[in-house]
Amino acid sequence: NAGVMQNPRHLVRRRGQEARLRCSPMKGHSHVYWYRQLPEEGLKFMVYLQKENIIDESGMPKERFSAEFPKEGPSILRIQQVVRGDSAAYFCASSQDSTYGYTFGSGTRLTVV
Amino acid sequence: GQQLNQSPQSMFIQEGEDVSMNCTSSSIFNTWLWYKQDPGEGPVLLIALYKAGELTSNGRLTAQFGITRKDSFLNISASIPSDVGIYFCAGRPTSGTYKYIFGTGTRLKVLA
Repeated sequence: NAGVMQNPRHLVRRRGQEARLRCSPMKGHSHVYWYRQLPEEGLKFMVYLQKENIIDESGMPKERFSAEFPKEGPSILRIQQVVRGDSAAYFCASSQDSTYGYTFGSGTRLTVV
Repeated sequence: GQQLNQSPQSMFIQEGEDVSMNCTSSSIFNTWLWYKQDPGEGPVLLIALYKAGELTSNGRLTAQFGITRKDSFLNISASIPSDVGIYFCAGRPTSGTYKYIFGTGTRLKVLA
């Protein structure tokens, strides 16, 4: 009974490249949330998705960032033309519905050099 | 975005001591969650609270849903070195949003 799977665990990108972060929710979970965490800081909400729909993207920068959760396959957080300030840990969480507690993945640590 | 006020921000304690931390909000919440994050890992759910006044334990951890529904407390008894990490509270408001709001975290360090 696998938990939330995120890959890769670590990702290094040069400035200007694209970063694609993947998240497979727990079996039976159709709600996915993405959070960003800077070193020594808390979890900052980015986006909430259900299958094929973005429900709330109020925490996601309008430019360069996008997220999807297709009918088949994992949720993808995509960062185009990365900059040094994008370096952070990105966590994905999933839940059965919006009232249940979230189960988090182990995160993807993005380093932009 | 909105965040909960969590305190203390960090604490150093001796092994064997009890630990208390809390979260407060200006909004009424209908669910409180407490998570622990180990270094380099994602947060793990420790305790979930669903009713005002509810007191729930998980081993040496005890959490309470405040009567006012605007706060929650987490206590750790007889701390051990593996309790080190960041503890986050999360609350779900009764209206206006369907997603959990996370506290800023309490960083706990245990001195052996």
